[in-house]
Amino acid sequence: GNSVTQMEGPVTLSEEAFLTINCTYTATGYPSLFWYVQYPGEGLQLLLKATKADDKGSNKGFEATYRKETTSFHLEKGSVQVSDSAVYFCALSGSSWGKLQFGAGTQVVVTP
Amino acid sequence: GAGVSQSPSNKVTEKGKDVELRCDPISGHTALYWYRQSLGQGLEFLIYFQGNSAPDKSGLPSDRFSAERTGGSVSTLTIQRTQQEDSAVYICASSLEAAGELYEQYFGPGTRLTVT
Repeated sequence: GNSVTQMEGPVTLSEEAFLTINCTYTATGYPSLFWYVQYPGEGLQLLLKATKADDKGSNKGFEATYRKETTSFHLEKGSVQVSDSAVYFCALSGSSWGKLQFGAGTQVVVTP
Repeated sequence: GAGVSQSPSNKVTEKGKDVELRCDPISGHTALYWYRQSLGQGLEFLIYFQGNSAPDKSGLPSDRFSAERTGGSVSTLTIQRTQQEDSAVYICASSLEAAGELYEQYFGPGTRLTVT
């Protein structure tokens, strides 16, 4: 079946540092890939998505590229802020109605 | 506008009791999903409703779990004879839906269930 594996946290880094969160997946066919973010005390929010190979999703300075050859969708941001402290979830959808398969989440802590 | 709301936000119950968790989706959203997030894990799909179609119950972990959606809007997730392993955050999401299209799911804040 489908699965998503992402790096364990917490990831602690200083403001303005470069952030990478690795995500790899196993799926049949051509899934859509997503990154969701959960800020403290809030529900999950869609951060970005990519629906086909080589697509790049981007939002709020974050980027991720759908790499079918390596089955990866790594999240990157060039200069993080304290406000980026949150839990980030990688997810995939392999069906037409949007059932999501999530990774375990990676907590990111950005210190001033 | 109003987002997905869930109630209660926290629920503590004794092992063996039944609990009901409520989800109010965004108005006009025809698709509704329930997920469960156990400590340190990602969200686990439980059940999906789409309009008047039969729900997809493939993620429900046991027959103690059930859900219904009345009038295509509010949904209730019921857990009978709760066990300690049922302790988790139960999260509801809703989305617009159209055949063959993927629409963004909007997530509620969750209900934290603790079974003692």
